[in-house]
Amino acid sequence: AQSVSQHNHHVILSEAASLELGCNYSYGGTVNLFWYVQYPGQHLQLLLKYFSGDPLVKGIKGFEAEFIKSKFSFNLRKPSVQWSDTAEYFCAVMRGGSQGNLIFGKGTKLSVKP
Amino acid sequence: NAGVTQTPKFQVLKTGQSMTLQCAQDMNHNSMYWYRQDPGMGLRLIYYSASEGTTDKGEVPNGYNVSRLNKREFSLRLESAAPSQTSVYFCASISNPGQGIKNIQYFGAGTRLSVL
Repeated sequence: AQSVSQHNHHVILSEAASLELGCNYSYGGTVNLFWYVQYPGQHLQLLLKYFSGDPLVKGIKGFEAEFIKSKFSFNLRKPSVQWSDTAEYFCAVMRGGSQGNLIFGKGTKLSVKP
Repeated sequence: NAGVTQTPKFQVLKTGQSMTLQCAQDMNHNSMYWYRQDPGMGLRLIYYSASEGTTDKGEVPNGYNVSRLNKREFSLRLESAAPSQTSVYFCASISNPGQGIKNIQYFGAGTRLSVL
């Protein structure tokens, strides 16, 4: 079945540690890729997106992600996390011709210890 | 410019009761979506509307109905609520081609629904 997989359910880091959250998808063809963040009690906000071009994309708050087509991956990274990055992170895929429908991964909860 | 507005923010229902969740967007977007979010499940698409007057089923449509009342509004109705429908519901709309950066979904603040 076509899906979006996020490898980690819950990640716990100390401040200043580096972060990498994995995301793999199983669709062939053209895809648009997204990372959304949900802070506690809030709605989803777009962190970054990949449509085409440079596979290394930079988003808000120092986050970046790399699209590796051969691995069907779109991993999220941040060199040094802060306590305020505590949130749930969702990877999402939009397939070409899908009328804009997003398929979400199950999310990764990040807890950053001060 | 309020973006995507959902009402109510919280609701408690008894099994068998009905209710309608309201969603409105002021960005002139063509397409709108309803998702439910459950712990450990991510967001799952319930229904979507690609344009005014059209609606289509998503991944988990059973137990729900939708109405695209006009371009701004897209409502979600639970005719006979069940405990399995306890969830957080998010409405979203997507930027149109030619309207700034396309294919970006904008989300409302959510409705937290409990069915007892």
